[in-house]
Amino acid sequence: DAGVIQSPRHEVTEMGQEVTLRCKPISGHNSLFWYRQTMMRGLELLIYFNNNVPIDDSGMPEDRFSAKMPNASFSTLKIQPSEPRDSAVYFCASSFIGSGNTIYFGEGSWLTVV
Amino acid sequence: QQQVKQSPQSLIVQKGGIPIINCAYENTAFDYFPWYQQFPGKGPALLIAIRPDVSEKKEGRFTISFNKSAKQFSLHIMDSQPGDSATYFCAAKVVHFGNEKLTFGTGTRLTIIP
Repeated sequence: DAGVIQSPRHEVTEMGQEVTLRCKPISGHNSLFWYRQTMMRGLELLIYFNNNVPIDDSGMPEDRFSAKMPNASFSTLKIQPSEPRDSAVYFCASSFIGSGNTIYFGEGSWLTVV
Repeated sequence: QQQVKQSPQSLIVQKGGIPIINCAYENTAFDYFPWYQQFPGKGPALLIAIRPDVSEKKEGRFTISFNKSAKQFSLHIMDSQPGDSATYFCAAKVVHFGNEKLTFGTGTRLTIIP
């Protein structure tokens, strides 16, 4: 079975540029999560969707961040404009509510903003 | 606000020893407590999980001990091996507006030395 698929795996961009991270959740899952991981703050939940609807975006750091889930098989996290402090690993994860609560993570998108 | 506090931040144990990682929580609405294991360059993966109605759960060499009254839980790794070297995250789940939300601890970097 294919797991959660994220792209790109690595991205280096200049400050001020737009960054788009992509995620394909596991087929059949109805919840999708975006997390950010840094040494200082650990794993932070940015936003999560249930049945393609954003449920809680209280973790989104500021208006420069936005996320969409146009359908059950695709989600994007966009940063515009990017800043060096956005450098982190961004994880997408998915789950099926009622399945035993297991959340499956992708391998992450490593973002460096210079 | 750190809802799940994890310690220690890092831990070095000799092969065969029993590393113990501790977590504490405040929110009594949490109803599911998983542990995730993360290897470098990979996303976190579910290792073992427990519900608050039991005090202990074992899966292979991994054991969770749960103390509901103290609002604490811990991970023990029996007969630890160098391959167990990874970062371990505790987490806690709450149902939020009918949707499930997972909050992570800050992680423990475990090193098992031969």
